[in-house]
Amino acid sequence: DAGVIQSPRHEVTEMGQEVTLRCKPISGHDYLFWYRQTMMRGLELLIYFNNNVPIDDSGMPEDRFSAKMPNASFSTLKIQPSEPRDSAVYFCASSLMGVFTEAFFGQGTRLTVV
Amino acid sequence: DAKTTQPNSMESNEEEPVHLPCNHSTISGTDYIHWYRQLPSQGPEYVIHGLTSNVNNRMASLAIAEDRKSSTLILHRATLRDAAVYYCILSDSGGGADGLTFGKGTHLIIQP
Repeated sequence: DAGVIQSPRHEVTEMGQEVTLRCKPISGHDYLFWYRQTMMRGLELLIYFNNNVPIDDSGMPEDRFSAKMPNASFSTLKIQPSEPRDSAVYFCASSLMGVFTEAFFGQGTRLTVV
Repeated sequence: DAKTTQPNSMESNEEEPVHLPCNHSTISGTDYIHWYRQLPSQGPEYVIHGLTSNVNNRMASLAIAEDRKSSTLILHRATLRDAAVYYCILSDSGGGADGLTFGKGTHLIIQP
């Protein structure tokens, strides 16, 4: 398996624009996680899914953020409208059995909102 | 969530063992201890995890104190490639959240 695949790797957008980040988890993994990393706040868990169902979205910062998982092989994280403070590296991760097994992280998407 | 305490940074020499400490005095009986590391410009990478007994894998060893209030990640022979931020994380296996909460971690510096 190629691992967790995220796209794009880099995204530069203007404030107010919609941004969509994409993630393809490892085949067969039942859990998918979205994290955000900044220098100030470190790695933050935004939301996670189990069998395509959102389980905990308490880390999603605002209503501007939304995440979907339409099927087992694809998830999106959308920010609308984007703001400069959303600039960060966004990581997607997947695991086979949640906390009992290791999580595999993607390479991340570096988002810059100007 | 039970919290962990790690030194901000540590320095070691190449080809020597490294012992990375982690304190988790409020750990509960169902909490697993996980270690991840993050190399520069990469996503976090799983290292090892355990519940009560010491664990070994190809990357490292995890030594867990008898009272489980602390643990140590052991890199047996550090290389320059081991320079990274190492995170010690607790997770609740007793039906709690499945997401991992990362702290600030320990920045490990390896001197050649």
